[in-house]
Amino acid sequence: AQSVAQPEDQVNVAEGNPLTVKCTYSVSGNPYLFWYVQYPNRGLQFLLKYITGDNLVKGSYGFEAEFNKSQTSFHLKKPSALVSDSALYFCAVRAGSGGKLIFGQGTELSVKP
Amino acid sequence: DTGVSQDPRHKITKRGQNVTFRCDPISEHNRLYWYRQTLGQGPEFLTYFQNEAQLEKSRLLSDRFSAERPKGSFSTLEIQRTEQGDSAMYLCASSFHATVGTGELFFGEGSRLTVL
Repeated sequence: AQSVAQPEDQVNVAEGNPLTVKCTYSVSGNPYLFWYVQYPNRGLQFLLKYITGDNLVKGSYGFEAEFNKSQTSFHLKKPSALVSDSALYFCAVRAGSGGKLIFGQGTELSVKP
Repeated sequence: DTGVSQDPRHKITKRGQNVTFRCDPISEHNRLYWYRQTLGQGPEFLTYFQNEAQLEKSRLLSDRFSAERPKGSFSTLEIQRTEQGDSAMYLCASSFHATVGTGELFFGEGSRLTVL
């Protein structure tokens, strides 16, 4: 069965520093991987996805993610964090032919000035 | 494009009452999904529709839950005889599925249910 794991419940970063939010996956077949962000009491906003092609995927708000097949990872990165990046981040994998996404538990990112 | 719309945004009810949530997807999207999210957890898949057909239901969807998408446009999620454990955020999402479906899901703002 497809699954994702986000090993860190919380990541703390100083503004201006690079950030990484980790995600590992388990799938049968080719992985379709996604990152979403959620602000308090809001729905989820799509950041980026990996379907095929380049291992480095660029997305919204300056975020990017690196797909690593040998390590079954899809870590989210940003070169310089902003206080406004503070939110809950979810990694997800597409499961089955129906297009549904299976989400990780989420990682709370806190960026301090 | 007005995005995915959910109504109501908040619902407080007493245990044993029935509640219904409505979701209006992005107009050209043929797939519609319902998820449930509790505090500190990732969204959990409940069910999805392609047009008006309900194609998959999670084991999480007990007999007290029913979802419909009667004309392949908006959808409703009804919870009968609510329990305190039903308290959660109910998220709706939509996507456009073609022959090869790799599209992302677009989520609404959610409907928060509190069962007293």
